[in-house]
Amino acid sequence: KTQVEQSPQSLVVRQGENCVLQCNYSVTPDNHLRWFKQDTGKGLVSLTVLVDQKDKTSNGRYSATLDKDAKHSTLHITATLLDDTATYICVVGDRGSALGRLHFGAGTQLIVIP
Amino acid sequence: DMKVTQMPRYLIKRMGENVLLECGQDMSHETMYWYRQDPGLGLQLIYISYDVDSNSEGDIPKGYRVSRKKREHFSLILDSAKTNQTSVYFCASSPPGQKNQAPLFGEGTRLSVL
Repeated sequence: KTQVEQSPQSLVVRQGENCVLQCNYSVTPDNHLRWFKQDTGKGLVSLTVLVDQKDKTSNGRYSATLDKDAKHSTLHITATLLDDTATYICVVGDRGSALGRLHFGAGTQLIVIP
Repeated sequence: DMKVTQMPRYLIKRMGENVLLECGQDMSHETMYWYRQDPGLGLQLIYISYDVDSNSEGDIPKGYRVSRKKREHFSLILDSAKTNQTSVYFCASSPPGQKNQAPLFGEGTRLSVL
């Protein structure tokens, strides 16, 4: 059973628009949640990690929230650029160390058009 | 520059042939992983290695084996490849003992089994 669900599956926005990606999960325990960006044909690159029960992070035009009570996270991208075109993957870790397991969502494919 | 290197990047094999995928990292990370990524699915863990000759099965180990004789190098072996092993394979490594540190991913090996 899929433990990490992302929505939407795909999204098309115009350059300069904002967008919000969603992640719902059922992983227990949920030590941390991380968002990755995966460019086409490339590996995963970490954007941000959320740890606290109710957490917020900001990394340039990327900001994220986590609500562990609701087991829900959002990734906001502000003023999108063409280079934001990629797949964004939500990953929940059940421990804080490398001994834990990572549970991956299938990703949201974001396409930014001129 | 911290990097996980995968070789080869692209590979085409016939069903029944043996396949060797190689992964290297120069950061002395103890923990390394092999995942596969298929369309519409999150990354699935094949094997995890905690150090030299200390390997554990992941969620989908059937049809695969691994070898880690040096800390910097982790190999994935498919003995008698099957068509359903066509996929993109990712190697990753994690820094030791640091809480919530992001794993580093290679750029993937795209394997087609005909």
